[in-house]
Amino acid sequence: AQSVTQPDIHITVSEGASLELRCNYSYGATPYLFWYVQSPGQGLQLLLKYFSGDTLVQGIKGFEAEFKRSQSSFNLRKPSVHWSDAAEYFCAVASQNDMRFGAGTRLTVKP
Amino acid sequence: EAQVTQNPRYLITVTGKKLTVTCSQNMNHEYMSWYRQDPGLGLRQIYYSMNVEVTDKGDVPEGYKVSRKEKRNFPLILESPSPNQTSLYFCASSFQGYFQETQYFGPGTRLLVL
Repeated sequence: AQSVTQPDIHITVSEGASLELRCNYSYGATPYLFWYVQSPGQGLQLLLKYFSGDTLVQGIKGFEAEFKRSQSSFNLRKPSVHWSDAAEYFCAVASQNDMRFGAGTRLTVKP
Repeated sequence: EAQVTQNPRYLITVTGKKLTVTCSQNMNHEYMSWYRQDPGLGLRQIYYSMNVEVTDKGDVPEGYKVSRKEKRNFPLILESPSPNQTSLYFCASSFQGYFQETQYFGPGTRLLVL
């Protein structure tokens, strides 16, 4: 069965610093990969997704993610974090019959 | 505005008292789904529906019921709630349910069962 691991439960970065959130997946074939963000009191919003092609994917709000098949990873990055990026971030992997979410990484942004 | 709405947003109840959480979408989506979110576990799927009158179990269906009588509505029913169903619940929808599609999430319902 496919699975998703987000190794970092909580990350704190300073405003303006770069950010990388880790995501590792387990799946036999090439999966569909997603990053969602959940702002406080809100539902989840899609940041970006990867299905095939260019392994560097651009999303909304200045985020990008890179698919690395050899490492089974799909890490989310942002070059300069804004205070409004404080939220919980979920990586997800999907196949034709199943979709799995990671446990989430909570991002705190220091002034 | 395209959206998924849930009601109520917050609910406190007691063990055994039946409750229903409503979910409605205005995007004419065929696929709808319910998730529960618990700390350290992420989102887990409870039930999903590929279309009207078609529902199926997700990963954690025990203690829940759903119905899909209309395309836009997908209520979640707890016939006899228990404290272990205290959680944050999300409804989601997508166009046809293919997993490459974006899912649109409601704002969540926070349930406390005493």
